[in-house]
Amino acid sequence: GGIITQTPKFLIGQEGQKLTLKCQQNFNHDTMYWYRQDSGKGLRLIYYSITENDLQKGDLSEGYDASREKKSSFSLTVTSAQKNEMAVFLCASSIWGASAETLYFGSGTRLTVL
Amino acid sequence: GDSVTQTEGPVTVSESESLIINCTYSATSIAYPNLFWYVRYPGEGLQLLLKVITAGQKGSSRGFEATYNKETTSFHLQKASVQESDSAVYYCALGKGGNEKITFGAGTKLTIKP
Repeated sequence: GGIITQTPKFLIGQEGQKLTLKCQQNFNHDTMYWYRQDSGKGLRLIYYSITENDLQKGDLSEGYDASREKKSSFSLTVTSAQKNEMAVFLCASSIWGASAETLYFGSGTRLTVL
Repeated sequence: GDSVTQTEGPVTVSESESLIINCTYSATSIAYPNLFWYVRYPGEGLQLLLKVITAGQKGSSRGFEATYNKETTSFHLQKASVQESDSAVYYCALGKGGNEKITFGAGTKLTIKP
């Protein structure tokens, strides 16, 4: 089996700071995703990538950048952290298209902005 | 856009009682999306519970069942007799095939009383 590793598990930042979240997968999956989860809300897609060096915007891409330099890794940057922002960021991967195949998730990065 | 609406939690059920978590969906540009239930057990990452990609069919896993009803655009999750180990957060989701994103509901937190 494979695993998705997200680092760090907890991230505390200051308002206006640029913050980077990392995700690694060893499934050899083509497609990777970044979702954001706020308390009481569903997962919202920020960015996804169908292959190395590909980036596709999701519903919530404003305020974020992403990078997929290798097939196994997908990073997300919060370009300017917002004060009092709290959310969990979930990375996921799938074989080709998530819709027919299974999405595999990491355990998440919990962001707190002071 | 696409949307998924599910039973608002938290939901508490006594062990060995029956359970239903409602899910209805709305999808644009596709008549019959793929439907999923994902689950997050305490301390674990989000994982696929079951999926159905053909309207009218039923999916099952770990004693849970969900039937894809295209007439009522619903995909309710049911279990005849719950166990304490079923305590988790359950997410209904839809996808449209290929590399399209999955749309998640807000999640339903389920607690089983011993």
